[in-house]
Amino acid sequence: AQSVSQHNHHVILSEAASLELGCNYSYGGTVNLFWYVQYPGQHLQLLLKYFSGDPLVKGIKGFEAEFIKSKFSFNLRKPSVQWSDTAEYFCAVVSGGYQKVTFGTGTKLQVIP
Amino acid sequence: DAGVIQSPRHEVTEMGQEVTLRCKPISGHDYLFWYRQTMMRGLELLIYFNNNVPIDDSGMPEDRFSAKMPNASFSTLKIQPSEPRDSAVYFCASSLTGGNYGNTIYFGEGSWLTVV
Repeated sequence: AQSVSQHNHHVILSEAASLELGCNYSYGGTVNLFWYVQYPGQHLQLLLKYFSGDPLVKGIKGFEAEFIKSKFSFNLRKPSVQWSDTAEYFCAVVSGGYQKVTFGTGTKLQVIP
Repeated sequence: DAGVIQSPRHEVTEMGQEVTLRCKPISGHDYLFWYRQTMMRGLELLIYFNNNVPIDDSGMPEDRFSAKMPNASFSTLKIQPSEPRDSAVYFCASSLTGGNYGNTIYFGEGSWLTVV
């Protein structure tokens, strides 16, 4: 079975700091990769996704993620965070042909003004 | 598009009562997922359907939980009898192809359940 690891459970940053959240998955074949964001009290919303093509994916609100196949990673980055980025971030993987979506345990990001 | 629609948004019920949560997926989507989210356990997949057929219910915690999808536009998650430890946010999500080929999985706004 596929698994997804998000090693940072809670990250605290000051505004304007750079962000990188780690995501590693276990499946070695074709994968579809997603980052979702959940703002306090809200549902999960898509930030960005990778299916094929350019491994550097740009999403909404200045977020980007890089798919590195050799490292089984899909880390999320943002060069300068804002207080409004305070939320929980989930990495998710769907392996080709398997259909079942596997989510990581989430990373809570707190941005201090 | 209206998005994934869940009801009720909030429910408070007494222990032992039956709870039914409802979900209307996005029209045309062939996969439907039920998730539960708690502080302690995070986001858990309970069950998912493909073309109205349950594919994997290994995440359903126990027999008190059941889910149905009688047609492509409606699903229910039932808890009978409910217990305080069932208090959580229950999310329904839908997608085309289960997220393969880059298709996004769309989440509803959740049903916030409190069992007292």
